[in-house]
Amino acid sequence: GIQVEQSPPDLILQEGANSTLRCNFSDSVNNLQWFHQNPWGQLINLFYIPSGTKQNGRLSATTVATERYSLLYISSSQTTDSGVYFCASKLVFGQGTRLTINP
Amino acid sequence: DTAVSQTPKYLVTQMGNDKSIKCEQNLGHDTMYWYKQDSKKFLKIMFSYNNKELIINETVPNRFSPKSPDKAHLNLHINSLELGDSAVYFCASSRLRGGTDTQYFGPGTRLTVL
Repeated sequence: GIQVEQSPPDLILQEGANSTLRCNFSDSVNNLQWFHQNPWGQLINLFYIPSGTKQNGRLSATTVATERYSLLYISSSQTTDSGVYFCASKLVFGQGTRLTINP
Repeated sequence: DTAVSQTPKYLVTQMGNDKSIKCEQNLGHDTMYWYKQDSKKFLKIMFSYNNKELIINETVPNRFSPKSPDKAHLNLHINSLELGDSAVYFCASSRLRGGTDTQYFGPGTRLTVL
């Protein structure tokens, strides 16, 4: 079956720092999505990005389908960015990256 | 104006009981899903319906039975609850099937089996 791996598992940064989260997936037809689960448990879709690059404010994502990876960039981190970031390929989720932004 | 809603938000019950979780979406989507998130935050697909038809049924005990009365609603009934069923259950919806489109998640139902 499809395998999805995320790195790093945990990331602790100071407010204002930039971060890069990585997602490796096993299937080049991937329907890749990035989600943020906030500290209250709500899952919010950030990007649907099977290939190419998209940007939304301080967040951007790039998927290179031929090399089977996706990157999520967060610039000028804020404490509200804290939570767990998941990528999903088709309906298979990675184990998540827990991001903690300290003030 | 909640896009995907679930009830109840919390459910605490005894082993052996039967319980249901309800989900409704007002986005006009054709596809709905149930996911289970365990204590380690791992999210796993359980079921998916497209226009009231079951299209994905992962390896889930048959004590779990989804029902879709119409394409805006997908309910989950669980019989003979076990301790291992304790988890957060998320409903989601999307326009297209199979994770080929943006998924929108409900707030989750935290089920605790005592």
